[in-house]
Amino acid sequence: GQQVMQIPQYQHVQEGEDFTTYCNSSTTLSNIQWYKQRPGGHPVFLIQLVKSGEVKKQKRLTFQFGEAKKNSSLHITATQTTDVGTYFCAGPRSGATNKLIFGTGTLLAVQP
Amino acid sequence: NAGVMQNPRHLVRRRGQEARLRCSPMKGHSHVYWYRQLPEEGLKFMVYLQKENIIDESGMPKERFSAEFPKEGPSILRIQQVVRGDSAAYFCASSPGTRTNEQFFGPGTRLTVL
Repeated sequence: GQQVMQIPQYQHVQEGEDFTTYCNSSTTLSNIQWYKQRPGGHPVFLIQLVKSGEVKKQKRLTFQFGEAKKNSSLHITATQTTDVGTYFCAGPRSGATNKLIFGTGTLLAVQP
Repeated sequence: NAGVMQNPRHLVRRRGQEARLRCSPMKGHSHVYWYRQLPEEGLKFMVYLQKENIIDESGMPKERFSAEFPKEGPSILRIQQVVRGDSAAYFCASSPGTRTNEQFFGPGTRLTVL
């Protein structure tokens, strides 16, 4: 079946270092979404990318959608302790645009 | 504008009891999704509903689990005869159902089965 994988599963960085998580889908996606879940919290929508090769920035966060629309990345520049959490990518299930398949997630720990 | 509301936030049940989880979507949202999250794991889709209709329940176990979204009132996820393996966080999300399928999540219900 359709799968969305993320690497790494876990990343521990020193505050101020950069961080990147990669998302790979087994199928082409019409769009990709990113969510952040703080420890003990609930997922919060960050952004949606639609176009092939699209790049969007939100302050220190840079999101990219691959040319083939099967992969995506989230890069955080100069991490802060407030960046701690699990980052999930999600894409529509094939043939069902209202249903999302979530990636496996990357847990980011930031040491002050 | 209130966000997605879920209650209870924490629920403790003994094996064999029933668990009822409630979700009120954001105002104006007619699409509701339920997810299950085990500790240290990702979100697993369970069921997708619109008002009075189950659109997709492919992620929901065939036995003991049911969901509804009545014309009036919240969406309900019901788990009968709970077992320890049902212990998890259950999140509800809603969306307006437009082409932008961004989902807004509730705070979740943490179910513990003793």
